[in-house]
Amino acid sequence: EAQVTQNPRYLITVTGKKLTVTCSQNMNHEYMSWYRQDPGLGLRQIYYSMNVEVTDKGDVPEGYKVSRKEKRNFPLILESPSPNQTSLYFCASSRTGSYGYTFGSGTRLTVV
Amino acid sequence: EDKVVQSPLSLVVHEGDTVTLNCSYEVTNFRSLLWYKQEKKAPTFLFMLTSSGIEKKSGRLSSILDKKELFSILNITATQTGDSAIYLCAVTSGSARQLTFGSGTQLTVLP
Repeated sequence: EAQVTQNPRYLITVTGKKLTVTCSQNMNHEYMSWYRQDPGLGLRQIYYSMNVEVTDKGDVPEGYKVSRKEKRNFPLILESPSPNQTSLYFCASSRTGSYGYTFGSGTRLTVV
Repeated sequence: EDKVVQSPLSLVVHEGDTVTLNCSYEVTNFRSLLWYKQEKKAPTFLFMLTSSGIEKKSGRLSSILDKKELFSILNITATQTGDSAIYLCAVTSGSARQLTFGSGTQLTVLP
């Protein structure tokens, strides 16, 4: 089944403790993105990647890192999480970037 | 800065009503406009529009894009309680295919 898989689905962590949210797609898509969704603010793009080793900042990149060493994987790294990064995170992938993106099931992160 | 604005922010209707959701945008180097439906989980893709004036239709849902006036509408006819969701509009732009979302319209359909 074609899908985008994110892990974990839920995560509670403490301020400053590094964490990684994984994202993997099995559709051989070139484009991948990370979003955070906050009430009243909609989905905001954190980082995106157009292909292996090609990444760029979205609208809200501060406090996040990404890497794209393989086409299928696009992990999101929070080196030193803070409470304002408490949010619902989505990973998404797309064949061309203009076509519809397929979203993962989301990761609800709470930083205390 | 790219901008996508949706209206209304929320809407409550009764089953059987017809609704129209609006999306206006200001982006550099427009590529496509996308509509998504989000229930209590990940957004699911509804439509992609790239050409003005061509209606996309899927069952009771339809959408059209006006590239001159920079907006799109999503129509839902004969609404059902299962249509209750957040409807998101997004625009892809630029050579890097950046995706900018509006804040969504929360639709509630009452029985």
